[in-house]
Amino acid sequence: GAGVSQSPRYKVAKRGQDVALRCDPISGHVSLFWYQQALGQGPEFLTYFQNEAQLDKSGLPSDRFFAERPEGSVSTLKIQRTQQEDSAVYLCASSGGLTSYEQYFGPGTRLTVT
Amino acid sequence: AQSVSQHNHHVILSEAASLELGCNYSYGGTVNLFWYVQYPGQHLQLLLKYFSGDPLVKGIKGFEAEFIKSKFSFNLRKPSVQWSDTAEYFCAVRGLGDYKLSFGAGTTVTVRA
Repeated sequence: GAGVSQSPRYKVAKRGQDVALRCDPISGHVSLFWYQQALGQGPEFLTYFQNEAQLDKSGLPSDRFFAERPEGSVSTLKIQRTQQEDSAVYLCASSGGLTSYEQYFGPGTRLTVT
Repeated sequence: AQSVSQHNHHVILSEAASLELGCNYSYGGTVNLFWYVQYPGQHLQLLLKYFSGDPLVKGIKGFEAEFIKSKFSFNLRKPSVQWSDTAEYFCAVRGLGDYKLSFGAGTTVTVRA
């Protein structure tokens, strides 16, 4: 595709529900990132994949957050037992290489936990 | 740990006015610097980036930014704004050899016609 796509664009979950957010990176991009953007804040790093390997998950806020990229392309961010503080926009970004490449962002998924 | 500070939360301008948005960062090594823009309803897009060389970098849509190493700053400028520049602007930093971006809190720019 022409850019990074994410689905769903909007998700409303009741507290305690599990959610799964999908990211389709730009075809052929090696690196994939997830960021969390709270209201009125800049994006904050959650996790990083190089192909299928999750090389850094230091930004995941709790063990309720889990991300995978099993075949090195599509990635899923899963949040178990959602809490109100999980309400945010979740952004996915991909880049064609490693550290020196530009990151291209998707439109994000706005998660609201009620 | 890196941190990024953007001085203005919300800036309101009239068309044709000049714009300058401040960005300061803290990091103990060499950095790559970025400005991203998010237009209403759209995703984050790269405006410009600095990796090395000339500290005055030019980006898309007439924007430019100057890296001043001694001040740990990377301010964004545009000489004459248009209504279409209404957006949220984010400064971001990445340590050399690192992969993750650290973002500032963003500045909302509103340009009045």
